[in-house]
Amino acid sequence: LAKTTQPISMDSYEGQEVNITCSHNNIATNDYITWYQQFPSQGPRFIIQGYKTKVTNEVASLFIPADRKSSTLSLPRVSLSDTAVYYCLVGDAPSGSARQLTFGSGTQLTVLP
Amino acid sequence: GAVVSQHPSWVICKSGTSVKIECRSLDFQATTMFWYRQFPKQSLMLMATSNEGSKATYEQGVEKDKFLINHASLTLSTLTVTSAHPEDSSFYICSARGRTDSIEKLFFGSGTQLSVL
Repeated sequence: LAKTTQPISMDSYEGQEVNITCSHNNIATNDYITWYQQFPSQGPRFIIQGYKTKVTNEVASLFIPADRKSSTLSLPRVSLSDTAVYYCLVGDAPSGSARQLTFGSGTQLTVLP
Repeated sequence: GAVVSQHPSWVICKSGTSVKIECRSLDFQATTMFWYRQFPKQSLMLMATSNEGSKATYEQGVEKDKFLINHASLTLSTLTVTSAHPEDSSFYICSARGRTDSIEKLFFGSGTQLSVL
């Protein structure tokens, strides 16, 4: 299973763009990169998933370089409610796979007023 | 979208008693569910993989006789903490694989805070 490394914590101010980078040097060919958000005393929630290049949805963008050994979650114009722990997971996502997705340490993002 | 329901949200029990936590996939079938444990300020730790109709696969260091997992249907997995002790106090979370918008992802329950007195 590919191991991931993220910064333990980050601080930002409301309205700023936040970029959280995750390293996954031993990512496998079949692996996808998925980011989850977790608020205190809640289960994690899916944010975005990608395989290569750039993916964008209504809440975030995910940038993946050609070598796929890292990825960057970009949150545009954060608000106080974006304060949470963000996890990057790497694993194969095709339906039917029984492979687990392992959580790394996550990044505690604190948005300040 | 896919929803995973977990209950109870919190439970307080006496040392030596058993506690059952339920995890249901509400609008999709989940042949595989996962159980995690999370201590304060720490990441999720995978405890076991629950497979419908077969025995669960436990991670190294997790006592299978302590944490009983039953996945009797495609929509329900249960975790029973047997003879609970204070050190079992933790936040337990379940998840299931599902697909929405052509993306396969994990859907998580809301978690169960277990406090053993």
